Amino acid sequence: NAGVTQTPKFQVLKTGQSMTLQCAQDMNHEYMSWYRQDPGMGLRLIHYSVGAGITDQGEVPNGYNVSRSTTEDFPLRLLSAAPSQTSVYFCASSYSLGTGFDEQFFGPGTRLTVL
Amino acid sequence: GQQVMQIPQYQHVQEGEDFTTYCNSSTTLSNIQWYKQRPGGHPVFLIQLVKSGEVKKQKRLTFQFGEAKKNSSLHITATQTTDVGTYFCPPSGGGADGLTFGKGTHLIIQP
Repeated sequence: NAGVTQTPKFQVLKTGQSMTLQCAQDMNHEYMSWYRQDPGMGLRLIHYSVGAGITDQGEVPNGYNVSRSTTEDFPLRLLSAAPSQTSVYFCASSYSLGTGFDEQFFGPGTRLTVL
Repeated sequence: GQQVMQIPQYQHVQEGEDFTTYCNSSTTLSNIQWYKQRPGGHPVFLIQLVKSGEVKKQKRLTFQFGEAKKNSSLHITATQTTDVGTYFCPPSGGGADGLTFGKGTHLIIQP
């Protein structure tokens, strides 16, 4: 098992550019999510999905789109990058329990800089 | 989703000293999880607490869930440099609002 993989590991964008951060998992997890981590702000939830075809917004969804066409993949799209989106992005996945969340498995992160 | 207040936000200790971080909620929690994130790394799951008053140990780490399920704590005995990192305690019950992590507690150890 590769676990949760994220690509790219590093990315530099110019303001206004768009790009997609890739996330894939091979554990057949129903639940997947995206977080951003900024100094002093902890981990903030951007979007999440409880299964293929189902997505929902987290705490900080503005400027980001997601889709979940397969169980394995959960890409995060930046529509028009802004310097405020400079951050470290983590993807996570887990089994989805009816009564709560199971152990979250995190990817290694994507370090994004927007100039 | 449910949220907790984690204190302290930063803690400096000398190597060998004990360390405790606390998570407090204004509402009753179903479950709570604990994660550790090393500098430059990603969060890694440590444990999940489910029962009122539950105490679980992992070597030098002791996790506790309050009797009223409104608070939880992580205690590290005799800290080592490998304990450096940020510790998070997201509430993990209550269904599909997403798992919120908050700011965590940053543990800094001075040799």
